[in-house]
Amino acid sequence: ILNVEQSPQSLHVQEGDSTNFTCSFPSSNFYALHWYRWETAKSPEALFVMTLNGDEKKKGQISATLNTKEGYSYLYIKGSQPEDSATYLCASPNTGNQFYFGTGTSLTVIP
Amino acid sequence: DTGVSQDPRHKITKRGQNVTFRCDPISEHNRLYWYRQTLGQGPEFLTYFQNEAQLEKSRLLSDRFSAERPKGSFSTLEIQRTEQGDSAMYLCASSPPGGIFTDTQYFGPGTRLTVL
Repeated sequence: ILNVEQSPQSLHVQEGDSTNFTCSFPSSNFYALHWYRWETAKSPEALFVMTLNGDEKKKGQISATLNTKEGYSYLYIKGSQPEDSATYLCASPNTGNQFYFGTGTSLTVIP
Repeated sequence: DTGVSQDPRHKITKRGQNVTFRCDPISEHNRLYWYRQTLGQGPEFLTYFQNEAQLEKSRLLSDRFSAERPKGSFSTLEIQRTEQGDSAMYLCASSPPGGIFTDTQYFGPGTRLTVL
């Protein structure tokens, strides 16, 4: 079992603010780190898959970094918009390709 | 690309009844995953298929749970003798052939089960 943790649990920001959240995972036997966005009443949607220490990925105003040595990833949102309101999940697989998800960070962007 | 579909979207059943859910993955995807998600938690891995072979099964999956993927196409998840603790969202995801740890999973809308 992999212990994948996310913080904070929830976050409220004003439109236009930048924000970031954390995903921590075991640094040993690391294979990959996935980020998903889950909007209410929709399916989880993949954002990034990261594998290499120091990886940085970007999609629009959302970016992510990866530190496999210390076991954490940060997700950044620059200039948050109300449509960014969602739960952001991270997940990491074990040797058997069983994916372990964190509990998510619920982001609310206030117009 | 019609996406991953799940049926039914909602199911209400009485304790002790059996229920079966169906997942239709994206057509060229060979991997299929089932997850259970309860309020305030992230999705919990239940099981995983590569084509028709069930390769991994979580210890969370008790003897009352079984999953199949005949012919490597759609999959079914059956819960026998349902209990109130089985109430949850059951999510299915599929992924295309590729690196197993790095495959992007495409999720369906889920089946919400309520056990009375």
